[in-house]
Amino acid sequence: DTTVKQNPRYKLARVGKPVNLICSQTMNHDTMYWYQKKPNQAPKLLLFYYDKILNREADTFEKFQSSRPNNSFCSLYIGSAGLEYSAMYLCASSRVGNTLYFGAGTRLSVL
Amino acid sequence: GNSVTQMQGQVTLSEEEFLFINCTYSTTGYPTLFWYVQYPGEGPQLLLKVTTANNKGSSRGFEATYDKGTTSFHLQKASVQESDSAVYYCVLGDLGGNYKYVFGAGTRLKVIA
Repeated sequence: DTTVKQNPRYKLARVGKPVNLICSQTMNHDTMYWYQKKPNQAPKLLLFYYDKILNREADTFEKFQSSRPNNSFCSLYIGSAGLEYSAMYLCASSRVGNTLYFGAGTRLSVL
Repeated sequence: GNSVTQMQGQVTLSEEEFLFINCTYSTTGYPTLFWYVQYPGEGPQLLLKVTTANNKGSSRGFEATYDKGTTSFHLQKASVQESDSAVYYCVLGDLGGNYKYVFGAGTRLKVIA
């Protein structure tokens, strides 16, 4: 089974409210990633976990939080959503040094 | 840092035509190069990868050569089908260093029957 699951598929949020997105994988992969995808732009890496170690990109450091309570599960947390957070959020996992496996994504709309 | 450039935002072809999608990259390391394909309603999935410079990868009739001299990894297919309609991403993986994968902007392929 090479499935990465993301919930929910669609999320509507109000400006200023928190948002929590969820990702799970059953492949025992040591690394899990979150990407943000906006129309006509490349998927942008936000952060990733290698085992229990969180690595956040410098330009999004303040905007996104994450947790990984066990090997299979990873969340992406936005403390206060702004209009600029409207995007597709893609979760992926891999065994380090190998192929990325993606979920179908969560489309976040902030109003 | 690492970067990937795909200049073609959209390509429209008729069935059985030749496909060429341009991809160039910039890196100071020894990356693995990938092509991912994304169909509507799904996440990106691996199409092919090449780990060693000057080698070629192929899958489902698609092929790409990791050309270190020209820093290119162009995707080709001799004869496209309507079912190939999708978005194609060129991806650079810094897998011996910081475990990051850098994506190109993607090329939307539309194949008309």
